[in-house]
Amino acid sequence: GAVVSQHPSWVICKSGTSVKIECRSLDFQATTMFWYRQFPKQSLMLMATSNEGSKATYEQGVEKDKFLINHASLTLSTLTVTSAHPEDSSFYICSARVEGLYGYTFGSGTRLTVV
Amino acid sequence: RKEVEQDPGPFNVPEGATVAFNCTYSNSASQSFFWYRQDCRKEPKLLMSVYSSGNEDGRFTAQLNRASQYISLLIRDSKLSDSATYLCVASRGSTLGRLYFGRGTQLTVWP
Repeated sequence: GAVVSQHPSWVICKSGTSVKIECRSLDFQATTMFWYRQFPKQSLMLMATSNEGSKATYEQGVEKDKFLINHASLTLSTLTVTSAHPEDSSFYICSARVEGLYGYTFGSGTRLTVV
Repeated sequence: RKEVEQDPGPFNVPEGATVAFNCTYSNSASQSFFWYRQDCRKEPKLLMSVYSSGNEDGRFTAQLNRASQYISLLIRDSKLSDSATYLCVASRGSTLGRLYFGRGTQLTVWP
């Protein structure tokens, strides 16, 4: 149980375009979703925390207007990278926590390449 | 200073070897600790939680020293399938909040 489905698993886009990444909790309700970014040989860095029905909380240095997060339902959270640039190329992973469930479940990640 | 520090390695060991990874955390408010395993280009997967009394799961043993703010992972009888990056993770507070990840220690087990 507690599966998070993340799509797409990889995407290549042109500079200036926007990319949407979806994370769906398949068999539980995700009240909180965490969005991470991981550059090669680096640790996972938290970008933002989203709670269903409220605005996301962004970490320092993360542009909220560039990385749009929507958590409109208990089973779906999305991250949209707007006006993507090559430096946004990275591995993006979502992680869900649900009340009463010990631990976290991670999506399979999205490898974004901006050309 | 980073919240969680790890030796990035790489560690290259033969099958059957015993290998130990160390990790330190900087925030004394951290209360929950984990080791995650991450395969190349994959998401992290929980390997085990770390308890103050130390805990073991098969070939894996985790230790926590709160006084030194130090965490360790010992892998005995290494298998080829243990090759991965091992992430040390901390969480603050008594309820699970955000996770703080170390950059990971890369392990390669060779035949």
